[in-house]
Amino acid sequence: DTAVSQTPKYLVTQMGNDKSIKCEQNLGHDTMYWYKQDSKKFLKIMFSYNNKELIINETVPNRFSPKSPDKAHLNLHINSLELGDSAVYFCASSRPTSGRSYNEQFFGPGTRLTVL
Amino acid sequence: DQQVKQNSPSLSVQEGRISILNCDYTNSMFDYFLWYKKYPAEGPTFLISISSIKDKNEDGRFTVFLNKSAKHLSLHIVPSQPGDSAVYFCAASAPGGNQFYFGTGTSLTVIP
Repeated sequence: DTAVSQTPKYLVTQMGNDKSIKCEQNLGHDTMYWYKQDSKKFLKIMFSYNNKELIINETVPNRFSPKSPDKAHLNLHINSLELGDSAVYFCASSRPTSGRSYNEQFFGPGTRLTVL
Repeated sequence: DQQVKQNSPSLSVQEGRISILNCDYTNSMFDYFLWYKKYPAEGPTFLISISSIKDKNEDGRFTVFLNKSAKHLSLHIVPSQPGDSAVYFCAASAPGGNQFYFGTGTSLTVIP
């Protein structure tokens, strides 16, 4: 009964390939996120998404695109993979934030992507 | 532009003693702060939070202190236990935002 799950856990691929990472949450949350943790351990948000709005971090290359088939899923597609894309990618979800209401995020276990 | 900083990458503490993890931020608009704990090969898990209307929040062995004028917060764990050994991330958010800005984490080792 994992709350936020990601597949695969490890992904090793060649430069130039296109790959996807899947994320599913069974918490009934409306908002999902993708984070990248680079070699310096800096955990940086890439996207936040609910059924109304996609917020993209402007530093994220357009080779990265989130796809949400339904409220419980937010997959990450990466085109033309580059060496610098090697990192651990975390999916997260939360209840929607409104006004001054905040909700903590629940994280998946991470996907370690290695680009050769 | 790293708006949340954890300047100590690692910390070692004897079991039973107090662990103090520090976090600094630069954005004065941040008004909500969280601490997450992360074990190897797992995602971060929420530990404790504090709103800027408070300067202290306590949950069992964990206490977070917020000094708004210094733009500094700290997490105190007392007494520290070996199971507390993990990486601790500080995160902050501005009003109404879904986006949390994370620090780079502090790896805590509690020595039995």
